[in-house]
Amino acid sequence: AQRVTQPEKLLSVFKGAPVELKCNYSYSGSPELFWYVQYSRQRLQLLLRHISRESIKGFTADLNKGETSFHLKKPFAQEEDSAMYYCALSLPGNTGKLIFGQGTTLQVKP
Amino acid sequence: DTGVSQDPRHKITKRGQNVTFRCDPISEHNRLYWYRQTLGQGPEFLTYFQNEAQLEKSRLLSDRFSAERPKGSFSTLEIQRTEQGDSAMYLCASSLGGQSYEQYFGPGTRLTVT
Repeated sequence: AQRVTQPEKLLSVFKGAPVELKCNYSYSGSPELFWYVQYSRQRLQLLLRHISRESIKGFTADLNKGETSFHLKKPFAQEEDSAMYYCALSLPGNTGKLIFGQGTTLQVKP
Repeated sequence: DTGVSQDPRHKITKRGQNVTFRCDPISEHNRLYWYRQTLGQGPEFLTYFQNEAQLEKSRLLSDRFSAERPKGSFSTLEIQRTEQGDSAMYLCASSLGGQSYEQYFGPGTRLTVT
């Protein structure tokens, strides 16, 4: 079965430090990968998607099909990056349903 | 249009009662999804509508759960004979398209079954 794994429940870093939130998936085909973020008291929202190859709020993520990973990175963390981050996978086909990982809480300390 | 809305935001019910939640998607979005999220977990897919047609249901969706989207606009999710294990956050999302499209999430309905 398709699965998304985020091995860290909590990642705590100091402001200005690099950040890497890990995401691994199990699927042999060509999925679409996403990172969704939920800031405190806000709804879940898209941060970035693999297909766009864009950088949002300084975050980037590269799809590594060999390692089946889609890690989220930022060179210099800011306090406002503190949030819950979910990696999600969407399979080819017409549904578009998302399979989410368990989430990682990022805590950026001053 | 202020985004996806859900009603109620919180619901406390006794075991065995029926509950119904409503989701209003972004008006031009033809796709609507329901997810369930329990503490410490990511959202889990429940069901999907394209316009008024329910095209996929997760095996998580037991026969006590039913969802509708009459006229392809708002959607309702009903849980009959609630159980304590149904306590969760129920999220609704809508989108314009399939695999590569962004899903816009509502604030969720938090259900507590006592």
